[in-house]
Formats: sequence, structure tokens, C-alpha cells
Amino acid sequence: NAGVTQTPKFRILKIGQSMTLQCTQDMNHNYMYWYRQDPGMGLKLIYYSVGAGITDKGEVPNGYNVSRSTTEDFPLRLELAAPSQTSVYFCASSYYERETQYFGPGTRLLVL
Amino acid sequence: AQSVAQPEDQVNVAEGNPLTVKCTYSVSGNPYLFWYVQYPNRGLQFLLKYITGDNLVKGSYGFEAEFNKSQTSFHLKKPSALVSDSALYFCAVRSGNTGKLIFGQGTTLQVKP
Repeated sequence: NAGVTQTPKFRILKIGQSMTLQCTQDMNHNYMYWYRQDPGMGLKLIYYSVGAGITDKGEVPNGYNVSRSTTEDFPLRLELAAPSQTSVYFCASSYYERETQYFGPGTRLLVL
Repeated sequence: AQSVAQPEDQVNVAEGNPLTVKCTYSVSGNPYLFWYVQYPNRGLQFLLKYITGDNLVKGSYGFEAEFNKSQTSFHLKKPSALVSDSALYFCAVRSGNTGKLIFGQGTTLQVKP
């Protein structure tokens, strides 16, 4: 199993541009999550999904959107990039809510 | 509100010495606690978790953690540190019934030869 994969690894965006961060898991996990990591701040939850077609907001959802059309994929959309969205983004998945979350390698995003 | 605190930004130990990385938590109800490790430019790797049962939890790479309900702590420990243990360590607590994790700010562990 590849586990959780994320693309791209690194991206530079200009202010106002949009992009989609891809996340795919091949473990048939029901739950998927998007976090952002900022220096000295730990990880903050952006959005999560408990199954295909079901998504909900986390702690810091503003400026992002998600969809979950399949069990495997959970893309994160940035519509109008802002410098405050410069961060490292991690996708994670788990089978159920009590199970361990497994993380992808991350996407480093720089908004200039 | 549920929260996790890691009071030390950095912990320095000599190789071969025991190490402790501290974590305290605040939750309503029973805590589900986790430790993750992050190596440079990598994702988070799961080390261990406490759900219920024995207060001493054993995990990957020789790490263990002690759950202390009265002190609301979940400190990560290893009897003998390796230089390769140098990394960023995160403590986390599960929030609610949706599996959401609340993370501490992270502690950098530096093991010197």
C-alpha cells in the first residue's frame, strides 16, 4: 500500500491565484482530514470528512473548500490565495474516528 | 475546550541518556492521546496511543508514554536516546466523536553524540 499520498510536494502561488491540493489514500479509510502546520503552532484542522459525500469544517476553514466524491480522494481547494495561507498542508486518514490517523508527506505552499 | 500543551520548545539530551518529552492535556470525558514524530521535510509518523487500559503504553522505536490521569499528563519517554531520535515530537488528543485531533505546538528533541 502507498498509504496517503499528496501532490504537489511544493508550490509557489501568486496572491489571488487558485489551486487544488490532492490527497489520495488506498487503505479504504472512512475518515479523512486536512491540517495545516505553521512554525511553533502545531497542526490545525482545516476540514474533515467522515465518508464520501460528507464534509465538515475544522478549526481554520476560512479560505478553503473541500469535496469528497470517493472514499479514496479528498482534495483541498484554495480559491483566492493569500499570504496567510503560506504553510505546510498535511492530509491524514483513519478507518474510524477512534483509530490512528496516518499522514501524507505534506505539501509546502508559498503564497507571494 | 479541549487542549494540549507541550511546555518545552526544545529538549536536549546526550546519546545514551534517558529522555522525556512532556505533554499535558485538558479534555472533557475520557482522553484518547497520541504521540507523533516528524523528521525534517517529512510527514508525521505515529508512535503510540493511549485509549484505555495500562497507564504505560509502549510504541515504536523503543518509545513509551505514561498516562497520568491525576496530573492530566502523557509524557513520552525512552530509556536510552539515539542521535537518530532527533526530530519534532507532537502530542495530540482526540476531540469529540469525529476523530479530530488537537495538537500541541511540538517539542524539538536534540540528541547529541
